[in-house]
Amino acid sequence: RKEVEQDPGPFNVPEGATVAFNCTYSNSASQSFFWYRQDCRKEPKLLMSVYSSGNEDGRFTAQLNRASQYISLLIRDSKLSDSATYLCVVGPGGAQKLVFGQGTRLTINP
Amino acid sequence: DGGITQSPKYLFRKEGQNVTLSCEQNLNHDAMYWYRQDPGQGLRLIYYSQIVNDFQKGDIAEGYSVSREKKESFPLTVTSAQKNPTAFYLCASSMGTIKGEKLFFGSGTQLSVL
Repeated sequence: RKEVEQDPGPFNVPEGATVAFNCTYSNSASQSFFWYRQDCRKEPKLLMSVYSSGNEDGRFTAQLNRASQYISLLIRDSKLSDSATYLCVVGPGGAQKLVFGQGTRLTINP
Repeated sequence: DGGITQSPKYLFRKEGQNVTLSCEQNLNHDAMYWYRQDPGQGLRLIYYSQIVNDFQKGDIAEGYSVSREKKESFPLTVTSAQKNPTAFYLCASSMGTIKGEKLFFGSGTQLSVL
């Protein structure tokens, strides 16, 4: 079983739709959780950290479920510019221990 | 503006050749990292450095070498011992290595074998 697993997609959704995807992790000692966004052949950019109580940033909502060991990302009112690969990143401690999922590819269609 | 600069953007390696990828940051971050990304896979850690003159192997260090002589710089050498070097290489930095530290990435170097 991979340490961090994501559905690779692709997810194709119409503009304005709500889309959600999950990421499961195997290490129950994980303490750091992030979602990064990566455009094709570009560097990953931090989208948001994920906190135990859940957090929201504009149209994006992230949640953590420690009991079932997964994190989720919800995008509301999707825009064409949201098309990208979303990377789930999880780790038990410092940045050097972070494990990256393979990413979920999202395409927003006009 | 502060950031991480990687060069070159594209690099070609001949058989048996060593090549060096550059990574420079002006964020005053203590920790720096090198990752490798293959199509359809997550990023894998090659080496990291928490402080000047110190570095540690990551998950896939074989065939690679690094140095950390200055806080700002963390070059990666892909040696001839690395038999499958074609990949997208990403350099990153963070303020430190405590829990919750965020990674900031350079724009990457695409390495291909001639």
